[in-house]
Amino acid sequence: DGGITQSPKYLFRKEGQNVTLSCEQNLNHDAMYWYRQDPGQGLRLIYYSQIVNDFQKGDIAEGYSVSREKKESFPLTVTSAQKNPTAFYLCASSSRNIRMGYTFGSGTRLTVV
Amino acid sequence: DQQVKQNSPSLSVQEGRISILNCDYTNSMFDYFLWYKKYPAEGPTFLISISSIKDKNEDGRFTVFLNKSAKHLSLHIVPSQPGDSAVYFCAASANTNAGKSTFGDGTTLTVKP
Repeated sequence: DGGITQSPKYLFRKEGQNVTLSCEQNLNHDAMYWYRQDPGQGLRLIYYSQIVNDFQKGDIAEGYSVSREKKESFPLTVTSAQKNPTAFYLCASSSRNIRMGYTFGSGTRLTVV
Repeated sequence: DQQVKQNSPSLSVQEGRISILNCDYTNSMFDYFLWYKKYPAEGPTFLISISSIKDKNEDGRFTVFLNKSAKHLSLHIVPSQPGDSAVYFCAASANTNAGKSTFGDGTTLTVKP
């Protein structure tokens, strides 16, 4: 079955540490996205990539970094520069046909301890 | 400035009745609108979409209406079922934005048996 996999499901980070969230898809989608959700709020775009080896900043990119070395993979690194990293992180992918919407992963809940 | 707004944080309806979820947008460049459903601790799943050249799109129990002049769309669920209880997100996309979507804050729907 095709889908999008995020790991780990739960992640704990100490202050000052960088952590990397994994996102893999086997849907042959060109575009991939990272969103962040805080309690009671909508999804805010962190980074997106339309094609391998290219990515753009979203609305809240500060303190985050990404890479897109393979079509299937779009890992997100939460750096120590991110002042408030505790949140629910969602990875998504889409084909060129926007009418089909995004396919989302099941999310990673990151907590700073 | 929030470009996609869902002004009702929550909605409660009786099983079998109609659920109407509303969404307003401000950016006239948006030309595609989507609705997603989200259960706790899971990623959203795509429900239904509508292009700006249409004013209605129907898929089973779900119908989305678009009023471009009012910059308003709504999702109708008829009849509502207890399994429909979830958070519903409205999202908007502009053809010039490379497929990236802007999300509202969501409306929590509770369908009572």
